[in-house]
Amino acid sequence: QSAPAQPASVSGSPGQSITISCTGTSSDVGGYKYVSWFRQHPGKAPTLVIYDVSYRPAGISNRFSGSKSGNTASLTISGLQAEDEADYYCSSYTSSGTDVFGTGTTVTVL
Amino acid sequence: EVQLVESGGGLVQPGGSLRLSCAASGLPFSSDWMHWVRQVPGKGLVWVSRINSDGSIISYADSVKGRFTISRDNAKNTLYLQMNSLRVEDTAVYYCVRWSNFWGQGTLVTVSS
Repeated sequence: QSAPAQPASVSGSPGQSITISCTGTSSDVGGYKYVSWFRQHPGKAPTLVIYDVSYRPAGISNRFSGSKSGNTASLTISGLQAEDEADYYCSSYTSSGTDVFGTGTTVTVL
Repeated sequence: EVQLVESGGGLVQPGGSLRLSCAASGLPFSSDWMHWVRQVPGKGLVWVSRINSDGSIISYADSVKGRFTISRDNAKNTLYLQMNSLRVEDTAVYYCVRWSNFWGQGTLVTVSS
């Protein structure tokens, strides 16, 4: 199972919006609604920011939004803040009955 | 407050075994899917295994299939990962996850001679 591809890094200035892509196949990202996004600050465990493609868990800012088109899922962070600087990973259920994480993206706030 | 506390990590020689445990509290453990995820320090997240609420549905990543066994004891609110035939490339921090919104802090497994 190959990992869905994410850009290695994305950057933006405070207040801007950025979008992170997660490109898989019809056997994972494109085939299921079970796409999640996780944020991980250095030295910390990951936290969930989006589940089931576009739903936010309680306590997650509405600056985070998710979507999917075909085999590509996207995470958009609007009104970029310094605290958003972290690594971001997508994950997807797969046709093999397993899960797979994307390659990960480092977000830098300029 | 939800807590997932992993234990059992440590240093082991190649070919050796370890059993990781994850003690859960503050959530309805017996009704939840549970997963193990690992991460080499400085690298990305890698999904390892999942188990459903009663242990009847289990799956593994190809990289650990046949060597790792996931299990759970709902009476003890505890998730396990038995790791056999360990390889150097299994070295990582192992996270217990109540999919997908509750993560433990991880336990480090180092496989080295």
